[in-house]
Amino acid sequence: EVQLLESEGALVQPGGSLRLSCAASGFRFSDYGMGWVRQAPGKGLEWVSDISATGSSTYYADSVKGRFTISRDNSKDTLYLQMTSLRAEDTAVYYCAKDRRYDARVAAGTSWDYWGQGTLVSVSS
Amino acid sequence: DIQLTQSPSSLSASVGDTVAITCRASQTVASNLHWYQQTPGKPPKLLIYGASTLQSGVPSRFSGSGSGTHFTLTVTSLQPEDFATYYCQQSSGTVFSFGAGTKVEI
Repeated sequence: EVQLLESEGALVQPGGSLRLSCAASGFRFSDYGMGWVRQAPGKGLEWVSDISATGSSTYYADSVKGRFTISRDNSKDTLYLQMTSLRAEDTAVYYCAKDRRYDARVAAGTSWDYWGQGTLVSVSS
Repeated sequence: DIQLTQSPSSLSASVGDTVAITCRASQTVASNLHWYQQTPGKPPKLLIYGASTLQSGVPSRFSGSGSGTHFTLTVTSLQPEDFATYYCQQSSGTVFSFGAGTKVEI
């Protein structure tokens, strides 16, 4: 059974930093791209970032580019999202998600077939 | 960046009805358009990928069509568990985006 378990979220002050992790199990982690999607309270879904299966390619939404860094440790079956210079508008539930495609070589066509339960990040003073 | 416009933003329906939700892209996304269902407090669930391919385990009352810039999600014979919010998502290129969502209510 595929499982994605995000680390606990936190209340962070504006300008602060936080690293989220997502522990994967039930599939060969190193064969699949992974992504982060967030949802502000009462709002819609917003794609944040994506990473290829090997970690060699990363992609970011303009809203987080230069502030967030996605990475993965295939030896630990774990995905990360390092968030810096946090703003109030980054307040959201953050989901990690698995690419549906096995061994995808291009970003185009990405969709996510398994999702974590989400973790709440609140940015406030 | 590619913008996705969903319509309607909400709709009222009854069990047994057929509903259609449209998603228009600001530029072509070919068939790189996918549909998700989300209920309150839960993560999204993939319904359709590649514009028209049903994800494994999803009931056949869900169907998707379209290509380029105009896409439709159709749900026939609505069931109680189908009352939810539906999102389209594009993955053309390396910057992805979601539509604003369509809430299907009783």
